[in-house]
Parts: sequence; structure tokens; C-alpha cells
Amino acid sequence: QKEVEQNSGPLSVPEGAIASLNCTYSDRGSQSFFWYRQYSGKSPELIMFIYSNGDKEDGRFTAQLNKASQYVSLLIRDSQPSDSATYLCAVRKTNAGKSTFGDGTTLTVKP
Amino acid sequence: GAVVSQHPSRVICKSGTSVKIECRSLDFQATTMFWYRQFPKQSLMLMATSNEGSKATYEQGVEKDKFLINHASLTLSTLTVTSAHPEDSSFYICSARANDRGGQPQHFGDGTRLSIL
Repeated sequence: QKEVEQNSGPLSVPEGAIASLNCTYSDRGSQSFFWYRQYSGKSPELIMFIYSNGDKEDGRFTAQLNKASQYVSLLIRDSQPSDSATYLCAVRKTNAGKSTFGDGTTLTVKP
Repeated sequence: GAVVSQHPSRVICKSGTSVKIECRSLDFQATTMFWYRQFPKQSLMLMATSNEGSKATYEQGVEKDKFLINHASLTLSTLTVTSAHPEDSSFYICSARANDRGGQPQHFGDGTRLSIL
């Protein structure tokens, strides 16, 4: 079992829809959770981070964390073709530790 | 926002050449820096973690004598690929994180595309 698991996709949604990306992790002691976006041929870009159970909203993005169920999700509202990218979930156990990245979910938003 | 500068963005060189890649945190002090490698359509692979002033910690299977990492200051880390060969051709990406209190996120540089002929 991988430490951080994501559905590889591709996930395809129509423009304007809500895209839902999920991530599960195996280490119950994990404390910090991050979502990155990576366009093809580019490096990852931080979108959001979340530390506490519940929802955290930033513009069209909402991160949701459920530590009891060991999953973190990212919702993208009003999806745009420019949101088409690979989304990486990263999980860290301690503040000083290294993050473990999932393999990413490829999202395609169709006009 | 936090800015990480990586240079050069692209290198093409002959087999046997050593290549140095620089990673700088421009507007914050990076307690920890990370070096990743990514092959086309594959996942990020962590190569090593470096903390300022101490030796880097390499991931299993990464040759420390081939991939030399120096984290000499809180704003600069370098990765030197020694005697590079075609199989070392890849996308190398650095990442930096500020002080470790509060679970700060990692910020990535733009990456270096290395092509060894």
C-alpha cells in the first residue's frame, strides 16, 4: 500500500462543473496536507494547505480534511480549461519531516 | 508569496560533463531544501533532503557521490551531477521550505531540464 494514494485519472469534467479530487494516506499521525498543481512540463505549484479537520476555502478551491477517515480532497468550483493539469497531494507527518507525494490525478476540463 | 529561483532552466551537454544546478529562496530563509527528479509522465521522485550547514540525506538508491548536494546558506542549495551520462537526463526540481515551525509548505523552483548527449 502506498503512503499517499490518488486516483491517476484522467478525470474529465465539463467547463463550469465542480471537479473533485481525492487523496488517502496511510499514516494516521500525519499533520500537514498540501495540494499542488503541475502543468505538463512545468514544476509543481502550491495551491492550498490544510492542517485541521474540516473545510478550507480559497477562491474557487476548497480543501477538505477528514483525519478519522484519512482522506483529504480538493474541490474546484466553476472549473476552467486552464485548470487542466495534474494535481498532487502531499502529506507530512511532522513539521520538520519530508512530505510524501502521491502520484497525482490528471484533470481535464473540456470547454 | 514565497519565491524559489532555480538556475539554469535548461542544460544540454556532452556525456562525462559535470553540471551544477542552483536553487535559491529569494524572499525567505530555507531551513530545508529538497531535490527531486522527474522523468516524463512519471511521478516526482525525491532524491535528497538538505538542511543548512549539514550533510544531505539521500533517498535509497540515489548515489551520493554522483549527485553532490551543498546547502551552504539559508538561501542557497546546489546540486552537482558529476560525470553525467545520458541516463541522467531528466527534469530536476528543487524545493525549499521555511523554518519548520507551523508546518510550512514547500515551494518549488521552475526546474532544470538536463539533456546529456
